[in-house]
Amino acid sequence: AQRVTQPEKLLSVFKGAPVELKCNYSYSGSPELFWYVQYSRQRLQLLLRHISRESIKGFTADLNKGETSFHLKKPFAQEEDSAMYYCALTGNTPLVFGKGTRLSVIA
Amino acid sequence: NAGVTQTPKFQVLKTGQSMTLQCAQDMNHEYMSWYRQDPGMGLRLIHYSVGAGITDQGEVPNGYNVSRSTTEDFPLRLLSAAPSQTSVYFCASTGNSYEQYFGPGTRLTVT
Repeated sequence: AQRVTQPEKLLSVFKGAPVELKCNYSYSGSPELFWYVQYSRQRLQLLLRHISRESIKGFTADLNKGETSFHLKKPFAQEEDSAMYYCALTGNTPLVFGKGTRLSVIA
Repeated sequence: NAGVTQTPKFQVLKTGQSMTLQCAQDMNHEYMSWYRQDPGMGLRLIHYSVGAGITDQGEVPNGYNVSRSTTEDFPLRLLSAAPSQTSVYFCASTGNSYEQYFGPGTRLTVT
């Protein structure tokens, strides 16, 4: 069965500090992994996907198949990064989401 | 190109009432899904559809029905509302590269 685990419900960091949002997954095949972001009372929107290997709003994420992880990182947090972040996985099946991590960036 | 639209934005129901949450997309996506979002629970899949005429159950389907008569529309029906169905409901359609496009959500309260 496929599963996504985000171990932190809440992560608070100071502005300018590095950020790492953890995501671990369980899947027997080759997964497609995504990070979605939800700003306050807005719809979820795609932040980035592992296959594109791009940086969006300064965030990057590397797929580590050995550790089955897809952690989201940013070197310097900004106040506008405060939001809910969801890691998600699909393997040609319905997308499965983690329970989310709320990032709070403190000025 | 409106993307994914949902109506209504807000709804209050009494226990036992029924209603339909509307969802439409104009991107010609075959794959559509309904999720509910609850604090601490993340997004849970209710039902999904891989194309017109085909639907399947997700993780939490009880109390909900769906149909998919056209590619564009994917309504979610609450048969007999219960307080446990108080939630925010998101509809999504899936693009060719598995990325999901979400609607703005419907905030439902059942009293």
